[in-house]
Amino acid sequence: EVQLVESGGGVVQPGGSLRLSCVGSGFDFDDFNMNWVRQAPGKGLEWVSLISWDGGGTHYADSVKGRFTISRDNSKNSLYLQMNSLRAEDTAFYYCTKDIAWGDAFDIWGQGTVVTVS
Amino acid sequence: EIVLTQSPGTLSLSPGERATLSCRASQSISSTSLAWYQQKPGQPPRLLIYVASNRATGIPDRFSGSGSGTDFTLTISRLEPEDFAMYYCQHYGRSSYTFGQGTKVEIK
Repeated sequence: EVQLVESGGGVVQPGGSLRLSCVGSGFDFDDFNMNWVRQAPGKGLEWVSLISWDGGGTHYADSVKGRFTISRDNSKNSLYLQMNSLRAEDTAFYYCTKDIAWGDAFDIWGQGTVVTVS
Repeated sequence: EIVLTQSPGTLSLSPGERATLSCRASQSISSTSLAWYQQKPGQPPRLLIYVASNRATGIPDRFSGSGSGTDFTLTISRLEPEDFAMYYCQHYGRSSYTFGQGTKVEIK
């Protein structure tokens, strides 16, 4: 079964840091670009960051640029999001997503991990 | 930056009816970069349509996508009880993704 499982969420004070992890299984993890997408309580979806299949390219939403760092370890089928200088507006469910093989879309989503900055 | 505007905000329909959801881009975009997702409460989004009109694996054929340029449409031909949910369109361009604000399809 193809799946993504996130972990690492929790409650953190403003200005604090948190590191999210996501483990993929059931597919060739190192063949696909991966992303983080977040959703604030009762709000819509916001793309956060993207990393290329080999980790050589990374991109960020303006709202997190300079504060968040995406990385991956293909030997561990793992994706990470290091979040620093956290703000109240970063409070959200954070989803790990896998790019579809062809086209620009996310065909697999994790169940999400919740981050609360308070 | 391209902005995606979805309409209507809420669609109130009965099971068996046809649903037509709109996603309008602030400027012309490539069809290859347009996708649609369904999200139910307490669940992550699920990919329905990619490249504007291709159904994702396991998606019933009552879901269809169309459009080009700035105007894209998700159509649900006959609403089933499980189709009442939030729907989002998404665009990829300039190394970033953008989502529309969503359309809620609710039971009338």
